[in-house]
Amino acid sequence: DADVTQTPRNRITKTGKRIMLECSQTKGHDRMYWYRQDPGLGLRLIYYSFDVKDINKGEISDGYSVSRQAQAKFSLSLESAIPNQTALYFCATSEFGYGEQFFGPGTRLTVL
Amino acid sequence: QQQVKQSPQSLIVQKGGIPIINCAYENTAFDYFPWYQQFPGKGPALLIAIRPDVSEKKEGRFTISFNKSAKQFSLHIMDSQPGDSATYFCAATDLSWGKLQFGAGTQVVVTP
Repeated sequence: DADVTQTPRNRITKTGKRIMLECSQTKGHDRMYWYRQDPGLGLRLIYYSFDVKDINKGEISDGYSVSRQAQAKFSLSLESAIPNQTALYFCATSEFGYGEQFFGPGTRLTVL
Repeated sequence: QQQVKQSPQSLIVQKGGIPIINCAYENTAFDYFPWYQQFPGKGPALLIAIRPDVSEKKEGRFTISFNKSAKQFSLHIMDSQPGDSATYFCAATDLSWGKLQFGAGTQVVVTP
C-alpha cells in the first residue's frame, strides 16, 4: 500500500463549486504539505502543517483552505473553484529535522 | 518570485549522453539541496541531495555539483538511459525551517 494517498485522483468541476481534496499518510510523519504544480512554475506551496494544531499559509494560499483532522489526514478545500485553479495538486509529508518530503500520486483538478 | 532558478526548461539527449541541469539560489541560509525526479502520472520522489559542506555527491549515475560561493548547484546524469526520461526539480531549504523552495523543473528526454 502507498504511504501517501490522495483522493480523488482526477476531478472535473464547474466554476463556483466547493471542492475537497483529501490526503492520508501511513508514514507517521508530523509534517504535511499541499502543493500545486503548473507547467513552467514548478511546485508551489499552498499550506503546510507541522503538527495537528499547527496550520500555516504557503506562498499561494488565496482561494484555498485546509483542515488537519488527525496526524495522518490533511485536506485541502477550494471554497469556490475558479478556472485558474486548474492544476495538479500534491500532498507531501516529512519528518522533523529531515529534508526529504514524500509525495502522494497527485490529484488532477480541472475547473470549467 | 522564485527563490530557486532552474535551467534549462527542457533537454533532449541521446542515450549515453550527459544531461546537465543547473540551479541558482539567493538565500545563504539554505543548507539542504535536494533533487526530485518525477515520472508522468506520479508524484516527485527524492533522487539525491547535498549539504553545502561538500562540493560533489554521487549516487549511481547521478551526480550533484555544488558551488557555495557562486550559490549554484547542478545535476549531471552520467550514461543517460531512456528510463531516465522524466521531469527533474531542484529544491533548497533551511532544515530548521522545513519548507522546500522548488525550481521550475526540467523535462529531460533521453532518446534510444
